[in-house]
Amino acid sequence: GIQVEQSPPDLILQEGANSTLRCNFSDSVNNLQWFHQNPWGQLINLFYIPSGTKQNGRLSATTVATERYSLLYISSSQTTDSGVYFCAVEDSGNTGKLIFGQGTTLQVKP
Amino acid sequence: EAGVAQSPRYKIIEKRQSVAFWCNPISGHATLYWYQQILGQGPKLLIQFQNNGVVDDSQLPKDRFSAERLKGVDSTLKIQPAKLEDSAVYLCASSLDLAGGTDTQYFGPGTRLTVL
Repeated sequence: GIQVEQSPPDLILQEGANSTLRCNFSDSVNNLQWFHQNPWGQLINLFYIPSGTKQNGRLSATTVATERYSLLYISSSQTTDSGVYFCAVEDSGNTGKLIFGQGTTLQVKP
Repeated sequence: EAGVAQSPRYKIIEKRQSVAFWCNPISGHATLYWYQQILGQGPKLLIQFQNNGVVDDSQLPKDRFSAERLKGVDSTLKIQPAKLEDSAVYLCASSLDLAGGTDTQYFGPGTRLTVL
């Protein structure tokens, strides 16, 4: 099955810093989503981005489908950005089933 | 628009007991997913419904887990009997339709299960 690898596994930032999170996947995908899981466990969809670039406020994401990776950029980080960021891809079965990576745990210090 | 609702939020049981979780998806969403998230890992799909039919249950441990979505709206996931390794957060998600997986999945708050 498709493999999803995220890096780095852990990241500690000072408030105001910028960061880049990476997601590599082992096969072509129909769908790629980035999620943020807050400290209370709620998963929030950030981007649906199978290809190209999208921006939403301080967050932006780029997926290069031909090279099988996606990047999530966080600019001017805030303490509320803390949590776990997951990349998830739809497997080749075209059913909507998402395969999640192991996540990047981000801690933003004031 | 109301989000995905789940209950209970927390459950503690002893091994070999039974437990059930409930999920009410976003109104109008045809597809419903149950995921298991073990501490420190990403969510893993257990079962996927479209309306009241099962699309994928390949990773559901069918000897002890069962799920139903009888009227194509809310769903129940049951574990009987529970094992220690079933301790996890059980997440329910929904999306508008199957459509080749082109829809965003929206997640509920989850049910945290502890098996003692």
